[in-house]
Order: sequence, then structure tokens, then C-alpha cells
Amino acid sequence: EVQLVESGGGLVKPGESLRLSCAASGFSFNTYTMNWVRQAPGKGLEWVSSISSGGSYIYYADSMKGRFTISRDNAKNSLYLQMNNLIVEDTAVYYCATIDYDILIGYPRFVYWGQGTLVTVSS
Amino acid sequence: DIQLTQSPSFLSASVGDRVTITCRASQVISSYLAWYQQKSGKAPKVLIYAASSLQSGVPSRFSGSGSGTEFTLTISSLQPEDFAIYYCQQLNSYPLTFGGGTKVETK
Repeated sequence: EVQLVESGGGLVKPGESLRLSCAASGFSFNTYTMNWVRQAPGKGLEWVSSISSGGSYIYYADSMKGRFTISRDNAKNSLYLQMNNLIVEDTAVYYCATIDYDILIGYPRFVYWGQGTLVTVSS
Repeated sequence: DIQLTQSPSFLSASVGDRVTITCRASQVISSYLAWYQQKSGKAPKVLIYAASSLQSGVPSRFSGSGSGTEFTLTISSLQPEDFAIYYCQQLNSYPLTFGGGTKVETK
């Protein structure tokens, strides 16, 4: 069974840092592009960042570039998000999710999601 | 960046109704569009990908259509478990983006 379990969320003050983790199991983690997606309270989904299976290709949403760093450790089946200089607007539930490609037609979609971890930035 | 505009933002419907949600992209995205359903307090669940391909395990009352810049998600006969928020997402190019969401409420 595929499982993605996020951890590391909590309450922090503006300007502080936090590191989120996502522990993966039940699939070949080292073959999947992984993502972080966030959702502010009562708001919609916002893609945060993606990292390719080997870690060579990394992308960020513009609003997080320079403050957030995505990484992965394939030996530990784990995905990370280092968040620095947090602002109130970063308050959200953070999900990790896999990109899966259809075998026949090659189109991607986010199939597996974790349960999310809540980050609250408040003074 | 590619913007996705969903309409309507809210939709009131009854069980058995046919429901259609539209997603418009600011640029051509071919068929790199997916639809998700999200229920309160839960992670999103993929329904449709490649604009019209039904994700395994998703009921056939869900269907998707479109290509280029205009896409639709249709629920042929709304069921009680379908009251939720629906999002479109483009996976044509980075940064990946989601639509603003459509909340399907009971009438």
C-alpha cells in the first residue's frame, strides 16, 4: 500500500524556519517525481515545488523561490522542504504528492497524496 | 505562468443533476489537464487526467473533455458523495498551477 506521511509542521514566528519531511513507502520512491502542494485555511490548492526522481531537476513557485528548498534522500525514501524566512502568508496545510505518468499515453497527474501537515506562521 | 480560471466558483445542485464545470487556461496546454475532487479535511483525489482519461477506480459518471485552452468536467448524475470542491490543474509546464476551485453544494 502506498503511503506518504508528512511531518514537521507546527507554529512558528515570522522570519523563522521549518523543515518538513515526507516519508514514503509502498512504491519505488526513487523513480517518482515528488511535489509539495499547500492549501491555506479556507483557500484553494497551490503548487509549491517539484523535484525529479534523481534530484537533478527542481522547480519552485515564484512566491517561494529563494526561501524554500526542496530535496530528497532516495536511500531513506524521504522528501523534504526547508522553509526559511517564513511569513504569515505561508500558513497552510502542506501536502506531499507523487506525479504518476500513464503507461500508455504518458500523461501525468498527482495520484498519491499524504494527509498533510499544518504550518502556522504567527507572531 | 499559466493561469487557470474555473467557473462557476459555486454551484448548487441536487442529487441526480447533471453538473458541468469549466476550466480555461491562459495559454494552450494541449491536453495536460487534470481534475481533482477534495472533501473537507482530506487530500485531493484525482478524477480525470490528460483532459479526458478517467483515473482507475473513479466512477464513470465523471468525464472530462476539451483541449487547448478550454476544458470541462461533467458529472452525469450527481450522487450524495459528490458534494465537494473540484480543482483543475495544468501539467503542461512549470510552474504547475491549479484553478481556483468549484464548490458543489446541495440545493
